[in-house]
Amino acid sequence: AQSVTQLGSHVSVSEGALVLLRCNYSSSVPPYLFWYVQYPNQGLQLLLKYTSAATLVKGINGFEAEFKKSETSFHLTKPSAHMSDAAEYFCAVSEGAGNMLTFGGGTRLMVKP
Amino acid sequence: GAVVSQHPSWVICKSGTSVKIECRSLDFQATTMFWYRQFPKQSLMLMATSNEGSKATYEQGVEKDKFLINHASLTLSTLTVTSAHPEDSSFYICSASRQGPGDTQYFGPGTRLTVL
Repeated sequence: AQSVTQLGSHVSVSEGALVLLRCNYSSSVPPYLFWYVQYPNQGLQLLLKYTSAATLVKGINGFEAEFKKSETSFHLTKPSAHMSDAAEYFCAVSEGAGNMLTFGGGTRLMVKP
Repeated sequence: GAVVSQHPSWVICKSGTSVKIECRSLDFQATTMFWYRQFPKQSLMLMATSNEGSKATYEQGVEKDKFLINHASLTLSTLTVTSAHPEDSSFYICSASRQGPGDTQYFGPGTRLTVL
Protein backbone atom coordinates (compact mmCIF):
# COMPACT_ATOMS: atom_id res chain seq x y z
CA ALA A 1 0.00 0.00 0.00
CA GLN A 2 1.13 3.50 -0.69
CA SER A 3 0.85 6.53 1.55
CA VAL A 4 1.99 10.12 1.65
CA THR A 5 2.75 12.35 4.62
CA GLN A 6 3.10 16.08 4.35
CA LEU A 7 4.73 17.56 7.42
CA GLY A 8 3.18 20.86 8.37
CA SER A 9 -0.39 21.61 7.40
CA HIS A 10 0.49 25.30 7.34
CA VAL A 11 3.74 26.96 6.30
CA SER A 12 4.30 30.70 6.44
CA VAL A 13 7.21 32.47 4.74
CA SER A 14 8.08 36.04 3.92
CA GLU A 15 8.07 37.24 0.35
CA GLY A 16 11.48 36.52 -1.16
CA ALA A 17 12.31 33.78 1.33
CA LEU A 18 12.98 30.13 0.58
CA VAL A 19 9.95 27.87 0.31
CA LEU A 20 10.31 24.29 1.59
CA LEU A 21 7.30 21.98 1.67
CA ARG A 22 7.96 18.50 2.96
CA CYS A 23 6.65 15.24 1.57
CA ASN A 24 7.49 11.69 2.62
CA TYR A 25 6.02 8.64 0.99
CA SER A 26 5.82 4.90 1.40
CA SER A 27 5.51 2.59 -1.53
CA SER A 28 6.15 -1.08 -2.15
CA VAL A 29 7.37 -0.43 -5.70
CA PRO A 30 9.34 2.40 -7.32
CA PRO A 31 6.92 5.29 -7.12
CA TYR A 32 5.77 8.02 -9.39
CA LEU A 33 5.58 11.24 -7.38
CA PHE A 34 3.68 14.44 -8.05
CA TRP A 35 3.21 17.90 -6.62
CA TYR A 36 -0.02 19.75 -7.33
CA VAL A 37 -1.13 23.27 -6.38
CA GLN A 38 -4.71 24.27 -5.65
CA TYR A 39 -5.96 27.84 -5.52
CA PRO A 40 -9.22 28.57 -3.67
CA ASN A 41 -12.32 27.04 -5.28
CA GLN A 42 -10.29 25.62 -8.14
CA GLY A 43 -9.08 22.23 -9.26
CA LEU A 44 -5.52 21.00 -9.02
CA GLN A 45 -2.72 22.13 -11.28
CA LEU A 46 0.34 19.96 -11.82
CA LEU A 47 3.56 21.59 -10.65
CA LEU A 48 5.95 18.75 -11.42
CA LYS A 49 6.32 14.99 -11.42
CA TYR A 50 9.00 12.37 -10.89
CA THR A 51 8.91 9.26 -13.05
CA SER A 52 12.29 7.58 -12.42
CA ALA A 53 14.35 9.83 -14.65
CA ALA A 54 16.41 12.65 -13.09
CA THR A 55 16.07 12.83 -9.31
CA LEU A 56 15.94 16.64 -9.37
CA VAL A 57 12.76 17.66 -11.09
CA LYS A 58 12.05 21.18 -12.23
CA GLY A 59 8.48 22.35 -12.51
CA ILE A 60 6.47 25.41 -13.33
CA ASN A 61 6.60 28.76 -11.53
CA GLY A 62 10.18 28.20 -10.34
CA PHE A 63 9.42 25.17 -8.19
CA GLU A 64 11.56 22.08 -8.05
CA ALA A 65 11.64 18.87 -6.05
CA GLU A 66 14.28 16.28 -5.32
CA PHE A 67 13.57 12.57 -5.09
CA LYS A 68 15.64 10.98 -2.31
CA LYS A 69 15.07 7.25 -2.21
CA SER A 70 17.11 6.72 0.97
CA GLU A 71 14.93 9.22 2.80
CA THR A 72 11.70 8.32 0.95
CA SER A 73 11.22 12.03 0.45
CA PHE A 74 10.15 14.34 -2.34
CA HIS A 75 10.33 17.82 -0.84
CA LEU A 76 9.22 20.84 -2.86
CA THR A 77 11.34 23.99 -2.90
CA LYS A 78 11.41 27.43 -4.45
CA PRO A 79 14.30 29.85 -3.86
CA SER A 80 12.21 33.00 -3.53
CA ALA A 81 8.55 33.12 -2.59
CA HIS A 82 6.07 35.38 -4.36
CA MET A 83 2.75 36.53 -3.00
CA SER A 84 1.09 34.63 -5.85
CA ASP A 85 2.50 31.35 -4.48
CA ALA A 86 0.03 31.42 -1.59
CA ALA A 87 -2.11 28.32 -2.12
CA GLU A 88 -2.65 24.73 -1.01
CA TYR A 89 -0.01 22.24 -2.13
CA PHE A 90 -0.55 18.52 -2.40
CA CYS A 91 2.02 15.78 -2.76
CA ALA A 92 0.81 12.54 -4.34
CA VAL A 93 2.18 9.09 -5.12
CA SER A 94 1.22 6.59 -7.76
CA GLU A 95 2.44 3.04 -8.22
CA GLY A 96 1.69 0.19 -10.55
CA ALA A 97 -1.05 -0.09 -13.09
CA GLY A 98 -4.11 2.09 -13.10
CA ASN A 99 -2.20 5.16 -11.96
CA MET A 100 -4.37 5.73 -8.91
CA LEU A 101 -3.07 8.69 -6.90
CA THR A 102 -2.80 8.78 -3.15
CA PHE A 103 -2.66 12.32 -1.81
CA GLY A 104 -1.02 13.75 1.25
CA GLY A 105 -3.04 15.92 3.59
CA GLY A 106 -1.94 19.12 1.91
CA THR A 107 0.11 22.11 3.07
CA ARG A 108 -1.27 25.61 3.00
CA LEU A 109 1.47 28.05 2.05
CA MET A 110 1.07 31.61 3.26
CA VAL A 111 3.34 34.37 2.00
CA LYS A 112 3.78 37.49 4.09
CA PRO A 113 4.69 40.81 2.49
CA GLY B 1 -2.93 20.92 -23.96
CA ALA B 2 -4.47 18.51 -21.46
CA VAL B 3 -7.43 20.57 -20.40
CA VAL B 4 -10.24 19.09 -18.34
CA SER B 5 -13.53 20.86 -17.82
CA GLN B 6 -16.36 20.27 -15.39
CA HIS B 7 -19.94 21.36 -15.59
CA PRO B 8 -21.57 22.85 -13.65
CA SER B 9 -19.03 24.67 -11.53
CA TRP B 10 -21.57 25.31 -8.78
CA VAL B 11 -24.93 23.71 -8.13
CA ILE B 12 -27.49 24.12 -5.38
CA CYS B 13 -30.29 21.59 -5.13
CA LYS B 14 -33.02 20.47 -2.80
CA SER B 15 -32.69 17.40 -0.66
CA GLY B 16 -33.95 14.30 -2.46
CA THR B 17 -33.15 15.44 -5.97
CA SER B 18 -30.44 14.05 -8.25
CA VAL B 19 -27.57 16.04 -9.65
CA LYS B 20 -25.39 15.19 -12.63
CA ILE B 21 -21.84 16.50 -12.95
CA GLU B 22 -19.97 16.26 -16.24
CA CYS B 23 -16.24 15.88 -16.70
CA ARG B 24 -14.74 16.35 -20.14
CA SER B 25 -11.21 16.06 -21.49
CA LEU B 26 -11.16 18.80 -24.10
CA ASP B 27 -8.03 18.12 -26.10
CA PHE B 28 -7.07 14.54 -25.41
CA GLN B 29 -8.60 11.12 -25.08
CA ALA B 30 -8.80 9.96 -21.50
CA THR B 31 -8.41 6.25 -20.99
CA THR B 32 -9.11 6.65 -17.31
CA MET B 33 -11.08 9.21 -15.34
CA PHE B 34 -11.16 9.63 -11.59
CA TRP B 35 -13.68 11.23 -9.27
CA TYR B 36 -12.60 12.81 -6.01
CA ARG B 37 -14.40 14.45 -3.14
CA GLN B 38 -12.85 17.22 -1.10
CA PHE B 39 -14.18 18.54 2.20
CA PRO B 40 -13.24 22.06 3.34
CA LYS B 41 -9.58 22.38 4.29
CA GLN B 42 -8.97 18.70 3.64
CA SER B 43 -7.22 16.61 1.06
CA LEU B 44 -8.80 14.83 -1.86
CA MET B 45 -10.47 11.49 -1.31
CA LEU B 46 -10.72 9.17 -4.29
CA MET B 47 -14.27 8.02 -4.84
CA ALA B 48 -13.97 5.91 -7.96
CA THR B 49 -11.94 5.13 -11.04
CA SER B 50 -13.58 4.64 -14.39
CA ASN B 51 -12.32 3.34 -17.70
CA GLU B 52 -14.17 4.07 -20.91
CA GLY B 53 -16.77 1.43 -21.60
CA SER B 54 -16.31 -0.36 -18.28
CA LYS B 55 -18.00 -0.25 -14.93
CA ALA B 56 -16.41 2.10 -12.45
CA THR B 57 -14.32 0.78 -9.59
CA TYR B 58 -15.44 2.33 -6.33
CA GLU B 59 -13.31 2.89 -3.26
CA GLN B 60 -14.27 1.25 -0.02
CA GLY B 61 -17.07 3.09 1.71
CA VAL B 62 -18.39 4.82 -1.41
CA GLU B 63 -21.96 3.82 -2.24
CA LYS B 64 -22.11 2.88 -5.90
CA ASP B 65 -25.90 3.20 -5.99
CA LYS B 66 -25.70 6.72 -4.65
CA PHE B 67 -22.83 7.96 -6.78
CA LEU B 68 -23.48 6.71 -10.30
CA ILE B 69 -20.57 7.01 -12.67
CA ASN B 70 -20.78 6.66 -16.41
CA HIS B 71 -17.77 6.81 -18.72
CA ALA B 72 -19.47 6.61 -22.08
CA SER B 73 -16.67 7.94 -24.25
CA LEU B 74 -12.97 8.72 -24.13
CA THR B 75 -13.73 12.37 -23.45
CA LEU B 76 -16.71 12.30 -21.11
CA SER B 77 -17.47 10.91 -17.69
CA THR B 78 -20.46 11.80 -15.55
CA LEU B 79 -21.10 11.55 -11.83
CA THR B 80 -24.71 11.52 -10.71
CA VAL B 81 -25.45 12.07 -7.05
CA THR B 82 -28.80 10.38 -6.54
CA SER B 83 -31.29 11.43 -3.88
CA ALA B 84 -28.88 14.04 -2.58
CA HIS B 85 -28.83 14.94 1.10
CA PRO B 86 -27.09 17.81 2.91
CA GLU B 87 -24.22 15.53 3.91
CA ASP B 88 -23.44 15.09 0.21
CA SER B 89 -22.56 18.77 0.02
CA SER B 90 -18.93 18.93 -0.99
CA PHE B 91 -16.44 19.89 -3.68
CA TYR B 92 -16.27 17.22 -6.37
CA ILE B 93 -13.22 17.12 -8.61
CA CYS B 94 -12.59 14.91 -11.60
CA SER B 95 -9.32 14.09 -13.29
CA ALA B 96 -8.37 12.38 -16.51
CA SER B 97 -5.29 10.60 -17.75
CA ARG B 98 -4.31 9.30 -21.12
CA GLN B 99 -2.93 5.89 -20.30
CA GLY B 100 -0.41 3.88 -18.37
CA PRO B 101 1.03 3.74 -14.89
CA GLY B 102 2.28 7.02 -13.57
CA ASP B 103 0.75 9.02 -16.37
CA THR B 104 -0.20 12.47 -15.26
CA GLN B 105 -3.70 13.10 -14.04
CA TYR B 106 -5.11 16.39 -15.28
CA PHE B 107 -7.70 17.87 -13.00
CA GLY B 108 -10.90 19.68 -13.70
CA PRO B 109 -11.78 22.91 -11.90
CA GLY B 110 -14.19 21.19 -9.55
CA THR B 111 -17.91 21.37 -8.87
CA ARG B 112 -19.26 22.70 -5.62
CA LEU B 113 -22.47 20.93 -4.64
CA THR B 114 -24.71 22.41 -1.96
CA VAL B 115 -27.74 20.39 -0.92
CA LEU B 116 -30.37 22.30 1.02
